[in-house]
Amino acid sequence: DAGVIQSPRHEVTEMGQEVTLRCKPISGHNSLFWYRQTMMRGLELLIYFNNNVPIDDSGMPEDRFSAKMPNASFSTLKIQPSEPRDSAVYFCASSLEWVSNQPQHFGDGTRLSIL
Amino acid sequence: GENVEQHPSTLSVQEGDSAVIKCTYSDSASNYFPWYKQELGKGPQLIIDIRSNVGEKKDQRIAVTLNKTAKHFSLHITETQPEDSAVYFCAAKRENFGNEKLTFGTGTRLTIIP
Repeated sequence: DAGVIQSPRHEVTEMGQEVTLRCKPISGHNSLFWYRQTMMRGLELLIYFNNNVPIDDSGMPEDRFSAKMPNASFSTLKIQPSEPRDSAVYFCASSLEWVSNQPQHFGDGTRLSIL
Repeated sequence: GENVEQHPSTLSVQEGDSAVIKCTYSDSASNYFPWYKQELGKGPQLIIDIRSNVGEKKDQRIAVTLNKTAKHFSLHITETQPEDSAVYFCAAKRENFGNEKLTFGTGTRLTIIP
């Protein structure tokens, strides 16, 4: 079975540019999570969706960050405008159900560098 | 909110020896405790989890113990092998309707010395 698929794997762009990260969850999973990983702050949950609906976006750092899930098989995380402090590895994860403790399955991440 | 502390931050053990990583949590209502292994350039992968109704769970060379009274849980890896080298994360979650937020520890970089 295909796991969580993220694209691109690496992104290098100049500050001020718009960045869009993409995620395809595991088929049949109905919860989707976006995380950011840095050396200083570790793994931080940014936002999560259930059945394509955003449930908790309290981890989104600023209005420059936005996330969408237009259907069950696709989600985007957008940063506009990007800043050097946004440089990090961004992970998407999905799980089967949201009311019982189902494990979260992570993609391999997008390494984002803002110059 | 939940706070998870993880120790040590780095750990080196000889191949064949055992490794132990410890975590403490603050929210007494947390009842789900997964462990993830992250290899270089990869996302975290679940290796074992435990729920609060059990005190220990084992899967081949990996075991996790939970002490709810003390609010701590540990990962034990026996007969370590070079492929066990990775960063390990503990996490905790309260099972409430609608709550899917995992709180992660800060990670332990485990190095197995051949």
